[in-house]
Amino acid sequence: ETGVTQTPRHLVMGMTNKKSLKCEQHLGHNAMYWYKQSAKKPLELMFVYSLEERVENNSVPSRFSPECPNSSHLFLHLHTLQPEDSALYLCASSHRLAGTPISGNEQFFGPGTRLTVL
Amino acid sequence: QKEVEQDPGPLSVPEGAIVSLNCTYSNSAFQYFMWYRQYSRKGPELLMYTYSSGNKEDGRFTAQVDKSSKYISLFIRDSQPSDSATYLCALGVDSNYQLIWGAGTKLIIKP
Repeated sequence: ETGVTQTPRHLVMGMTNKKSLKCEQHLGHNAMYWYKQSAKKPLELMFVYSLEERVENNSVPSRFSPECPNSSHLFLHLHTLQPEDSALYLCASSHRLAGTPISGNEQFFGPGTRLTVL
Repeated sequence: QKEVEQDPGPLSVPEGAIVSLNCTYSNSAFQYFMWYRQYSRKGPELLMYTYSSGNKEDGRFTAQVDKSSKYISLFIRDSQPSDSATYLCALGVDSNYQLIWGAGTKLIIKP
């Protein structure tokens, strides 16, 4: 595996289910990010981890719960979601905590998990 | 007012045409102006970026920044069907992981 991988690629869940999204980066990066991408809307940054410590929680509802057990893995635990939470959830990583591409520090994205909440 | 405005399209052009994709922004503090390309069922990937103002060229692609007008552009010459994707602009400040994203423009190149 290379780059950033995400599983599952597609997920359909009911509002009472509990599920988890998994992200793994094979780039030796130290920072990882969760984004939400809805149709015709800008990417929304949800959570940020640097060296396994959470550094950002952008007013995300508590039904989303992140976990970063080590610098290569990131999880997003989901429970009692709402239909408006249906979206593409993207994971990204970067060498260090930054968004700008100076010195090759851009964010590399996984393919995303397409989530549908019924 | 949104921080970054980007027409979602779709923009459909014939193969070989010159394509112009644009974003406008409101915050003059931005230093980095990035263009990401996102193919269907894939995540965004950095295509090119410009620091401060001016132009940057890479093959068929040219990124242009006009800070006085707060306007950035991506030009694609000799467009190919393989260029069909959604193009997202992202703006940032040095050492800040919080990028400000446009909504993306869906581009369709017709053979």
